[in-house]
Amino acid sequence: DAEITQSPRHKITETGRQVTLACHQTWNHNNMFWYRQDLGHGLRLIHYSYGVQDTNKGEVSDGYSVSRSNTEDLPLTLESAASSQTSVYFCASSDRLYGTDTQYFGPGTRLTVL
Amino acid sequence: QQQVKQSPQSLIVQKGGISIINCAYENTAFDYFPWYQQFPGKGPALLIAIRPDVSEKKEGRFTISFNKSAKQFSLHIMDSQPGDSATYFCAAGDRNQGGKLIFGQGTELSVKP
Repeated sequence: DAEITQSPRHKITETGRQVTLACHQTWNHNNMFWYRQDLGHGLRLIHYSYGVQDTNKGEVSDGYSVSRSNTEDLPLTLESAASSQTSVYFCASSDRLYGTDTQYFGPGTRLTVL
Repeated sequence: QQQVKQSPQSLIVQKGGISIINCAYENTAFDYFPWYQQFPGKGPALLIAIRPDVSEKKEGRFTISFNKSAKQFSLHIMDSQPGDSATYFCAAGDRNQGGKLIFGQGTELSVKP
């Protein structure tokens, strides 16, 4: 069955370190998204991609970067982790089928920056 | 600023009661309004969605009511069950924006037995 996976599921790191969160989908979807979830803020869009070599900034992109070298993967990199980036991160994918824009979410990565 | 405002932040309902969650949006270009359900430790999953050409959509115990003139939409859960206890997110999207969604702040629903 097609799925979307994230790794690691939990990560503890120190301030200033570079961290990369992986996202892999087997839906063959063109669109991929990264969100962070914080209490009281809901899901906020960090970066998104509509296809290979395409990346776009979302609402809260400062301190994050992504690259899309193939259809299946959209890794999220925190260049220099900060305590404010402690959060739960979700990856999602979608395809623009007629009449639907359903996004399929991964299980999430809980990141703690000490 | 494209925003979707969701209320209430938390909701407690007795088993068998009606749960109502409201959302309001600003951007009139939005043409897709989904609701996502999230259980603890899981990613959100699509529950039900509506487009602005209809005022109501019902799937089982879940109904979306849509008021285009007021720029508001709501989720009604009839005969609420303890298994409905989860966090619910409304969202809005513009098909010209390639599937990007703007999410509300979320509502934590607890259904008491």
